[in-house]
Amino acid sequence: QKEVEQDPGPLSVPEGAIVSLNCTYSNSAFQYFMWYRQYSRKGPELLMYTYSSGNKEDGRFTAQVDKSSKYISLFIRDSQPSDSATYLCAMFSDRGSTLGRLYFGRGTQLTVWP
Amino acid sequence: DSGVTQTPKHLITATGQRVTLRCSPRSGDLSVYWYQQSLDQGLQFLIQYYNGEERAKGNILERFSAQQFPDLHSELNLSSLELGDSALYFCASSVGRGGSGNTIYFGEGSWLTVV
Repeated sequence: QKEVEQDPGPLSVPEGAIVSLNCTYSNSAFQYFMWYRQYSRKGPELLMYTYSSGNKEDGRFTAQVDKSSKYISLFIRDSQPSDSATYLCAMFSDRGSTLGRLYFGRGTQLTVWP
Repeated sequence: DSGVTQTPKHLITATGQRVTLRCSPRSGDLSVYWYQQSLDQGLQFLIQYYNGEERAKGNILERFSAQQFPDLHSELNLSSLELGDSALYFCASSVGRGGSGNTIYFGEGSWLTVV
């Protein structure tokens, strides 16, 4: 079992739709959760950074973490064609031998069509 | 622009050859990370250096090696290249060694094609 599981999609939605992206993980030691956006052949760009369970909102983006279910989500409201990219979840633990090492999902490819 | 600089951006080389990828971290960042991204494997952690010392090692092949120099730039050396080594190689950097508040920023990547 991989540490982090993410449906690769592809996901295609019309402009203005609400997009839901999800990851599950197996290591209960993970405490810090991130979402990166990656445009084709570009470096991943950090979108959201959250700690432990709860919600965090930033503009049209909302990140949710449910540690009891080992499940994290990213919601994009009023999606735009410029949101078309691959979205990668990532997480790490603050303790143990894997301190600071980021574990990534495979990424979900999103297309928002006008 | 993340502030992490990688060179070269594109590289085509033959099997059996050796290449060196270079990375300059963001100003003030002490940690450098190397990741490999291929279509079938996603982003794979290779190795981390912190202030010149190896900090963590991931799925890095024995044919690959890396180092971080006193000026904090890093190089990833790939030798005896195989077709399967064709991938995007990303460098990332952060201020700390890891842990809370340690945001990791990625460069634009070096696209390696082995023919």
